[in-house]
Amino acid sequence: EAGVAQSPRYKIIEKRQSVAFWCNPISGHATLYWYQQILGQGPKLLIQFQNNGVVDDSQLPKDRFSAERLKGVDSTLKIQPAKLEDSAVYLCASSSTPYGYTFGSGTRLTVV
Amino acid sequence: GENVEQHPSTLSVQEGDSAVIKCTYSDSASNYFPWYKQELGKGPQLIIDIRSNVGEKKDQRIAVTLNKTAKHFSLHITETQPEDSAVYFCAAMDTGRRALTFGSGTRLQVQP
Repeated sequence: EAGVAQSPRYKIIEKRQSVAFWCNPISGHATLYWYQQILGQGPKLLIQFQNNGVVDDSQLPKDRFSAERLKGVDSTLKIQPAKLEDSAVYLCASSSTPYGYTFGSGTRLTVV
Repeated sequence: GENVEQHPSTLSVQEGDSAVIKCTYSDSASNYFPWYKQELGKGPQLIIDIRSNVGEKKDQRIAVTLNKTAKHFSLHITETQPEDSAVYFCAAMDTGRRALTFGSGTRLQVQP
């Protein structure tokens, strides 16, 4: 089966600019997650979708981050405006059961 | 919420030796404990997992043990090979919430 697709792979922006990341999960996976992984740390959950509904966004900085999953398939994560501390790898994952997420390769964001 | 602590942060072993990575968790509701391997530039990949009704699970050179009373679990890699070199993450989840909380990672270096 095809894996979780993410784009772009790399992005460099200046602080206060906006950026968007895209994720296409594995076909049939109802649950989609966005994680933020700062260099040298473990991934931290930003938002969890079940189909096109938000299950958990308690750790999403809502003043600057937004995410949507239209039609319960693809998802986009947006940052506006970006701060230096947003530099990280943004990982998308999907699952069909509670067990065994499949992660994409991530988007590495550098804010300068 | 859940808090997962992982140690050591770095581990260097000689090829053929064993490696052990340990994690503790705080939420007694957690009942699923996966381990992920992350290579440079890639997303985390599931290598083994254990559910709370099992004390130990083995898959070839990799084994995981779980002590629910003490709230800790460990990854054991035997007969290490250079290709085992990567960053390893433990995680914990309450399958009712379906969101993983990750440890901070262990960088394993296998010296040939």
